[in-house]
Amino acid sequence: EAQVTQNPRYLITVTGKKLTVTCSQNMNHEYMSWYRQDPGLGLRQIYYSMNVEVTDKGDVPEGYKVSRKEKRNFPLILESPSPNQTSLYFCASRRGIAGGRTGELFFGEGSRLTVL
Amino acid sequence: GENVEQHPSTLSVQEGDSAVIKCTYSDSASNYFPWYKQELGKRPQLIIDIRSNVGEKKDQRIAVTLNKTAKHFSLHITETQPEDSAVYFCAASIGGSNYKLTFGKGTLLTVNP
Repeated sequence: EAQVTQNPRYLITVTGKKLTVTCSQNMNHEYMSWYRQDPGLGLRQIYYSMNVEVTDKGDVPEGYKVSRKEKRNFPLILESPSPNQTSLYFCASRRGIAGGRTGELFFGEGSRLTVL
Repeated sequence: GENVEQHPSTLSVQEGDSAVIKCTYSDSASNYFPWYKQELGKRPQLIIDIRSNVGEKKDQRIAVTLNKTAKHFSLHITETQPEDSAVYFCAASIGGSNYKLTFGKGTLLTVNP
């Protein structure tokens, strides 16, 4: 089954304790991205990756890091989480289309993070 | 950066009525405009998209229209059903890169039986 898998789905942590949210896709997609969803603010892009070893900032990258060492995985790292990073996080992927055309984003089920 | 405004933030209709959600964008280079539906507690899923070389696209009860001159696009749902109740997000590509999407803040659509 084609899917984007995120872990953990739920996490409560404390300020300053480093954490990683993993994201894996089995569709051989070149493009992967992280979003956070907050009430009244919609979906905001954190980081994206066009392919292995190629990443770039989205609209709200502060406090986050990413890496893309393998095509299928795109972990989101919070080096020193703060309460304002409490949010619902979605990983998404899509195939890279020749000519740069976009296509359907496939989202993971989301990871609800609470930072105390 | 790109700014996408979405209206209304909430919309309540009676089953069978039509629903219209409107979005405006600021970047004249935007050329891809998808709409995502997010049911309560679920992930967003693409329902329809349109590219800048097309003015209208339909898929059964849903349609999207695009006015590039005015920089706005709209989602139209006809013959609404209770299962259409969800949050709908519009989005616009940023510039010509198509690697970044800016989403609107969402519209909570409630279809009353």
